[in-house]
Amino acid sequence: GAGVSQSPRYKVAKRGQDVALRCDPISGHVSLFWYQQALGQGPEFLTYFQNEAQLDKSGLPSDRFFAERPEGSVSTLKIQRTQQEDSAVYLCASSLGRTGVEQYFGPGTRLTVT
Amino acid sequence: SQQGEEDPQALSIQEGENATMNCSYKTSINNLQWYRQNSGRGLVHLILIRSNEREKHSGRLRVTLDTSKKSSSLLITASRAADTASYFCATASYLDSNYQLIWGAGTKLIIKP
Repeated sequence: GAGVSQSPRYKVAKRGQDVALRCDPISGHVSLFWYQQALGQGPEFLTYFQNEAQLDKSGLPSDRFFAERPEGSVSTLKIQRTQQEDSAVYLCASSLGRTGVEQYFGPGTRLTVT
Repeated sequence: SQQGEEDPQALSIQEGENATMNCSYKTSINNLQWYRQNSGRGLVHLILIRSNEREKHSGRLRVTLDTSKKSSSLLITASRAADTASYFCATASYLDSNYQLIWGAGTKLIIKP
């Protein structure tokens, strides 16, 4: 594809609701990353996939966060029982190689938990 | 947790002037990257400098890296209104078969026409 796309672009959830955020990486990109970006801050690493394998999930803040990439392309970040502190922009990035040196970012999903 | 710290947090200059942003980090790195983020858009990769390089140029961008001081600077020459954005440095360390990028909080650059 032309670039990394994410959907929805904006999501408002009531506290306690489950949400699913989708990422379509650039076709053929092996590596996929999820980041969380709070207002006025830089992104913080959440998790990393190499093809369908989740190699690093050390940044996921709690067991309410779950990510998958079952066929090695599209990825979904799921947040269960959302809390107000989950409000942030969730960024997805993909990279051609296995190491993820140069990452291409999507526009992000802005999640607001009320 | 964030490794990089950008300085200044905000910078406002006249169009045509040069803009310099600095980044400091804490641990050893494989490379350091600079990204730009416009309001409402995703991050765009600008330039990568490896740990064994001291300076790199790309168009109007000049990046320096001093590993002894654990710092980097990004210089944008002859600034334009379109350069208005937030600029982030991200340090990359190669761990467990992937590069983990650790980000600073960014410098918000405003170019006044």
